[in-house]
Amino acid sequence: GAVVSQHPSRVICKSGTSVKIECRSLDFQATTMFWYRQFPKQSLMLMATSNEGSKATYEQGVEKDKFLINHASLTLSTLTVTSAHPEDSSFYICSARDLGTSGGFSYEQYFGPGTRLTVT
Amino acid sequence: GQNIDQPTEMTATEGAIVQINCTYQTSGFNGLFWYQQHAGEAPTFLSYNVLDGLEEKGRFSSFLSRSKGYSYLLLKELQMKDSASYLCAPMDSNYQLIWGAGTKLIIKP
Repeated sequence: GAVVSQHPSRVICKSGTSVKIECRSLDFQATTMFWYRQFPKQSLMLMATSNEGSKATYEQGVEKDKFLINHASLTLSTLTVTSAHPEDSSFYICSARDLGTSGGFSYEQYFGPGTRLTVT
Repeated sequence: GQNIDQPTEMTATEGAIVQINCTYQTSGFNGLFWYQQHAGEAPTFLSYNVLDGLEEKGRFSSFLSRSKGYSYLLLKELQMKDSASYLCAPMDSNYQLIWGAGTKLIIKP
């Protein structure tokens, strides 16, 4: 099955610093990747949709200058949390969709294992 | 607007059967997913329904009625490892998944 990896799995950083999270599709090409944030006991919140080779589409209320997304290749998307603050502490999850470029076709989103960010 | 309605929490006994209901309202509809999410982990795919009816996959089955905006996930022969949150996620006209808060299922011995 399709596998999505995320790195790092956990990160602790100081307020004001930046953190980069990588999301990779390991055995398929992902033209579209999604970035979510989830606070404890709450639903997944879509932050942005990332399409390879183009600018990400951010959801309303998500600051694009704070959450920088780069989808430079069909297997890698990165999310950089700039000038992180304690309120940015959350569980960040990426997912990827295989739209047939690898021979498969599915609207299913394959999720990475998530990154738990703690800003002190 | 778009809306998902699921019970917040359910409790069931090991070995029993439980049905988790979901009603939804979306702008367009391109099928509905059920995901399982254990605490502190990412969601994992359980099922996808795009046509009305019941889809059975082992101990888990999922039902869809598009005209009623209704789906359910049926879990049989419950095991302790089934304790998790179950997320109903319909896909709208833009093929975006709409997420609710999910149903936390607690399995008791």
